Amino acid sequence: QVQLVQSGAEVKKPGASVKVSCKASEYTFTGYYIHWVRQAPGQGLEWMGRINPNNDGTNYAQKFQGRVTMTRDTNTAYMELSRLRSDDTAVYYCARADFWSASDYWGQGTLVSVSS
Amino acid sequence: QSALTQPPSASGSPGQSVTISCTGASSDVGGYNYVSWYQQHPGKAPKLMIYEVSRRSSGVPDRFSGSKSGNTASLTVSGLQAEDEADYYCSSYAGSNTLFGGGTRLTVL
Repeated sequence: QVQLVQSGAEVKKPGASVKVSCKASEYTFTGYYIHWVRQAPGQGLEWMGRINPNNDGTNYAQKFQGRVTMTRDTNTAYMELSRLRSDDTAVYYCARADFWSASDYWGQGTLVSVSS
Repeated sequence: QSALTQPPSASGSPGQSVTISCTGASSDVGGYNYVSWYQQHPGKAPKLMIYEVSRRSSGVPDRFSGSKSGNTASLTVSGLQAEDEADYYCSSYAGSNTLFGGGTRLTVL
């Protein structure tokens, strides 16, 4: 069955960077977008951006432009967020999506904690 | 672009129906038939319930239905059951962007 397995929890200091991975299996990796969505404690879902593994094309939410980079290799997608602040503390999810942004499979989430 | 607007809470008794709205703009909800709805239980990843406004994802009971009129999409849950208590989020394709609503906490009384 389709699976997205994310890397483990991270603790970072303000100003540092974090790179979260999302390993895909049991489907054609290049056939679907990978979206990254985050959820701060007690808050709603926030779209960060997406990557098209077929051509490495990316789209980023304006809020994260200049701070986020989405990449991929064979069957793994990565999301790197730089210049971390305390309000970046959140669970970060990757999700498989079609072109029209319907995300049918989600990773288990990665907690990133930012604290001095 | 701003997030989509959802009511923060909704409630209903078992067996009743409840409808959750999701209001956007002509550049997102109103401009495309690509609205999705997600259910999220505490501590869990979101689950796709509805896509393309009204199509149910695999395995989703037909008690869940979606619709759209103008810039507002709606999710209706009929025959409420205890396990339907969760947070619900709408999402819309918006060209190079994807928007989420702020979420609605559905309580089964």
